[in-house]
Amino acid sequence: EAGVAQSPRYKIIEKRQSVAFWCNPISGHATLYWYQQILGQGPKLLIQFQNNGVVDDSQLPKDRFSAERLKGVDSTLKIQPAKLEDSAVYLCASSFLGTGANVLTFGAGSRLTVL
Amino acid sequence: LAKTTQPISMDSYEGQEVNITCSHNNIATNDYITWYQQFPSQGPRFIIQGYKTKVTNEVASLFIPADRKSSTLSLPRVSLSDTAVYYCLVGDADGGSQGNLIFGKGTKLSVKP
Repeated sequence: EAGVAQSPRYKIIEKRQSVAFWCNPISGHATLYWYQQILGQGPKLLIQFQNNGVVDDSQLPKDRFSAERLKGVDSTLKIQPAKLEDSAVYLCASSFLGTGANVLTFGAGSRLTVL
Repeated sequence: LAKTTQPISMDSYEGQEVNITCSHNNIATNDYITWYQQFPSQGPRFIIQGYKTKVTNEVASLFIPADRKSSTLSLPRVSLSDTAVYYCLVGDADGGSQGNLIFGKGTKLSVKP
């Protein structure tokens, strides 16, 4: 089966600019996650969608980050305006169900550098 | 909210068996234990999952004692390509809030020739 697709793989922007990342999950996976991984740390969950509804966005900095999952399939994560500390890899993952017993399949990630 | 504790790093040599232990003292009745592997510039990849006792697949074994307060990932006869970061997660079968899918800092395994 096709994996989780993410784009772009790399993005360099200056602080206060905006950026958007796109994710297409595995077909049939109802749950989609966005994680932020800062160098040397484990992934941190930003937002979890079940179909096109938000299950958890408690860790999403809503003053600058936004995410949507229209039609319950692919998703977009936006950062506006970006800060230096947003430099990280943004990982998208999907699973059949949104439970801790379900296996997550991750994409390769989008690496953001904010100058 | 189950938290996990793992060693920050481990070293091994090719051909050896590696055991990485994860502590999860506050594991709940419904929690499963899942291990992921992450190579540089890639997303984490599922290795193995278990609830109790022992689980084995073609890649690894997972040992879970009766009290389930810890678990041990066992990698038989590691090779250089097993050099990666290994994450232990606990999460319940009922889904819901963010506490189910928290990654710690993981264990960085370095395999030497």
